[in-house]
Amino acid sequence: DSGVTQTPKHLITATGQRVTLRCSPRSGDLSVYWYQQSLDQGLQFLIQYYNGEERAKGNILERFSAQQFPDLHSELNLSSLELGDSALYFCASSPQGFGDEQYFGPGTRLTVT
Amino acid sequence: AQKVTQAQTEISVVEKEDVTLDCVYETRDTTYYLFWYKQPPSGELVFLIRRNSFDEQNEISGRYSWNFQKSTSSFNFTITASQVVDSAVYFCALSEAGGNKLTFGGGTRVLVKP
Repeated sequence: DSGVTQTPKHLITATGQRVTLRCSPRSGDLSVYWYQQSLDQGLQFLIQYYNGEERAKGNILERFSAQQFPDLHSELNLSSLELGDSALYFCASSPQGFGDEQYFGPGTRLTVT
Repeated sequence: AQKVTQAQTEISVVEKEDVTLDCVYETRDTTYYLFWYKQPPSGELVFLIRRNSFDEQNEISGRYSWNFQKSTSSFNFTITASQVVDSAVYFCALSEAGGNKLTFGGGTRVLVKP
């Protein structure tokens, strides 16, 4: 158990819908990261937050947004969902930033039908 | 731009054989970190090791060992005397200075047969 929790574990929704994925980092970790794992794109970095502020952005679609709250939990919002958004979404956390090992949550498997 | 290549997509071995996973990376930075993660069939990503660009010492942890060679931009991972529980997908990853985003390789699936 990495100490990072993600909810829900599975999510099935229809195209055009909006969903919210939730992540609680390990106790004491200030950085939260979101990654997407799909068969065609592999594991891709989406976005990083550090202590409530956006720190880095990857190949995150404009339909996707995220935030980190004062209690350090984070949410990833996916809207106008398309079939291609079906993937495993991971949240990870680390104490600070550069060089830290990241500990991953169990992931949320999103299926868009 | 940073890039990580794991040329082996799948390796199949019989239990107790050694298996070496290759990882080649590209970066313009002189300061960077390399990582290995394991993804078992259950799906979670498990951290195995971190190495910074200034530390080329090889590392051994139980049956696992890592060989970092800056001259060839490689960070290879060996499992000695493999076991069925080692069956998983293994990812090599890189993070560069200025951020901590991980750039992952495509992964190598290891299948250990009894």
